[in-house]
Amino acid sequence: AQKITQTQPGMFVQEKEAVTLDCTYDTSDQSYGLFWYKQPSSGEMIFLIYQGSYDEQNATEGRYSLNFQKARKSANLVISASQLGDSAMYFCAMREGALLLYNQGGKLIFGQGTELSVKP
Amino acid sequence: NAGVTQTPKFQVLKTGQSMTLQCAQDMNHNSMYWYRQDPGMGLRLIYYSASEGTTDKGEVPNGYNVSRLNKREFSLRLESAAPSQTSVYFCASSVGGTGSNQPQHFGDGTRLSIL
Repeated sequence: AQKITQTQPGMFVQEKEAVTLDCTYDTSDQSYGLFWYKQPSSGEMIFLIYQGSYDEQNATEGRYSLNFQKARKSANLVISASQLGDSAMYFCAMREGALLLYNQGGKLIFGQGTELSVKP
Repeated sequence: NAGVTQTPKFQVLKTGQSMTLQCAQDMNHNSMYWYRQDPGMGLRLIYYSASEGTTDKGEVPNGYNVSRLNKREFSLRLESAAPSQTSVYFCASSVGGTGSNQPQHFGDGTRLSIL
């Protein structure tokens, strides 16, 4: 069965430093997608970055990058130059389904999350 | 832009009461989802609707029912609320179909307490 594991319940980072949030996944599918979401204390879920299993390059979105190591089944989120506003819960998620057929809908499986605190 | 709108934002129920959580999206998305988030846990899928006219169970469907009213709206019903259903409920939508790299967009959540 598909599974997402985030082993860091909480992390601290100094403002302006980089931080890596770990995510490992388990799937027997060849085609899958990996997502990272941010959940600030206000509660909303904010999409950050996506990596497809067939993407050869690591995804990047501004200060966010995804360190994708397919053989190790890891998809770590790297935040460069941390800001105070980065303090939040971060969730890694995987889209199920070997083939995204029209009626599969693209369900997500979430990890338990990592709480990041940025220190001034 | 409204995106995904959930109502209500907060609700307190007594055990055994029923209620319906409403969700609407204005992005013309095909797929819609209901998740619950409990303390210290990630989101778990309750039900989803891959396209208008279809619904399927997710990981934790017991005690819930859903209705995909039309392409825009997807409601979640608790027929007889139990304290174990105290949680934050999120509705989400996505393009679905072949849009495999498209993220799910989430509503702001409904905080539900059952006494």
